[in-house]
Amino acid sequence: SAVISQKPSRDICQRGTSLTIQCQVDSQVTMMFWYRQQPGQSLTLIATANQGSEATYESGFVIDKFPISRPNLTFSTLTVSNMSPEDSSIYLCSVEESPSAGELFFGEGSRLTVL
Amino acid sequence: AQTVTQSQPEMSVQEAETVTLSCTYDTSESDYYLFWYKQPPSRQMILVIRQEAYKQQNATENRFSVNFQKAAKSFSLKISDSQLGDAAMYFCAYRSNTGNQFYFGTGTSLTVIP
Repeated sequence: SAVISQKPSRDICQRGTSLTIQCQVDSQVTMMFWYRQQPGQSLTLIATANQGSEATYESGFVIDKFPISRPNLTFSTLTVSNMSPEDSSIYLCSVEESPSAGELFFGEGSRLTVL
Repeated sequence: AQTVTQSQPEMSVQEAETVTLSCTYDTSESDYYLFWYKQPPSRQMILVIRQEAYKQQNATENRFSVNFQKAAKSFSLKISDSQLGDAAMYFCAYRSNTGNQFYFGTGTSLTVIP
């Protein structure tokens, strides 16, 4: 199974600043996904990142707030822009190693606290 | 959109005993995947077990097994011989066979009592 590394593991940020989360996979994958998990909640898909094209955002999430890069098949970044306390969440990177296998593999998540 | 419902926000089980976590889902599709994921306090989501809807046989992975009732749209997880390391948040998830969108339930927090 894919090994996924996320950085930072956690951070405390000031209101109005931006933070970029990195996701590195140890193998080439077509689909990478970014999820948000607010405290005590389930996972909500932010966007799907494909290499070579713009990310596809889910309803309620916009590129200006959550710009995503996907420069190659093993790496992606998610930026949380102009942060507010409501952005305090765990952000999870995940990949689908093989469409036929069906399952997602997850990174360890990045816990952001916005003051 | 598909919905996944976990009606038990919290469950507890005595060590070495058996516990069943419930999950129901709503879909009009006939072919799909179902999963149980475990999220321990360390946060990393770990796949516990998966089931393809076209398979009638219930999936089993060591102490973990599912009861998949396709007509009832039910997918429960049974953990046998519970261990302290089983304590975690468990999420039920649905994925269509025709797309890559996953739908997660709200989770069940499992406590294992020594």
